[in-house]
Amino acid sequence: EVQLVQSGPEVKKPGESLKISCKASGYTFTNYWIGWVRQVPGKGLEWMGMIYPGDSDTRASPSFQGHVTMLVDKSISTAYLQWSSLKASDTAMYYCARRAFGEDSFDYWGQGILVIVSS
Amino acid sequence: NFMLTQPHSVSESPGKTVTISCTRSNGSIASNFVQWYQQRPGSSPTNVIYENRQRPSGVPDRFSGSIDSSSNSASLTISGLKTEDEADYYCQSYNRRNHWVFGGGTQLTVL
Repeated sequence: EVQLVQSGPEVKKPGESLKISCKASGYTFTNYWIGWVRQVPGKGLEWMGMIYPGDSDTRASPSFQGHVTMLVDKSISTAYLQWSSLKASDTAMYYCARRAFGEDSFDYWGQGILVIVSS
Repeated sequence: NFMLTQPHSVSESPGKTVTISCTRSNGSIASNFVQWYQQRPGSSPTNVIYENRQRPSGVPDRFSGSIDSSSNSASLTISGLKTEDEADYYCQSYNRRNHWVFGGGTQLTVL
């Protein structure tokens, strides 16, 4: 069974760093792109970017490029989203999702991680 | 880049049919596949239509997708509405650089 299990909720202060995780199981991790999607409370979905675990190739939305970093650790089938300096505007739910093989859709989603950035 | 514009909300009665539109701002709607996702309150999104009109396994055939080049839009149609269909629906497509774009979402109320 394919599963994407994300780490728990986070409460941080502006300027702090953060790394959230998405552990994949039930399939060959290196063969599928992993995407990240932001959802500000009460708002819509925003595509942040994708990473291919096989070679760490990335596609990043211009809206997020330079502010977040997508990483993977193939040895433990885990993808990460990392910030070096959080802003209050980063407060949101963050989902990881698997890109369906050969398609341009997400077929499996993680449960989401709520990140709150507040002083 | 381009935007995908959806109506903010739609409502319909159980048993009826509803259609949600998704209009592409520039570039042809037919140039890249359109996907649709359902997000129930408090849950992660799930894919209900991919490649304009294909249904993932497990999605009932009450859900159908189409595109219309004349209006440069895609549509999600749900027939035989059930209360469980009440959710937010998002369209999604991508550009030549393989950057994905989501529509703003449509809140479906079944009343």
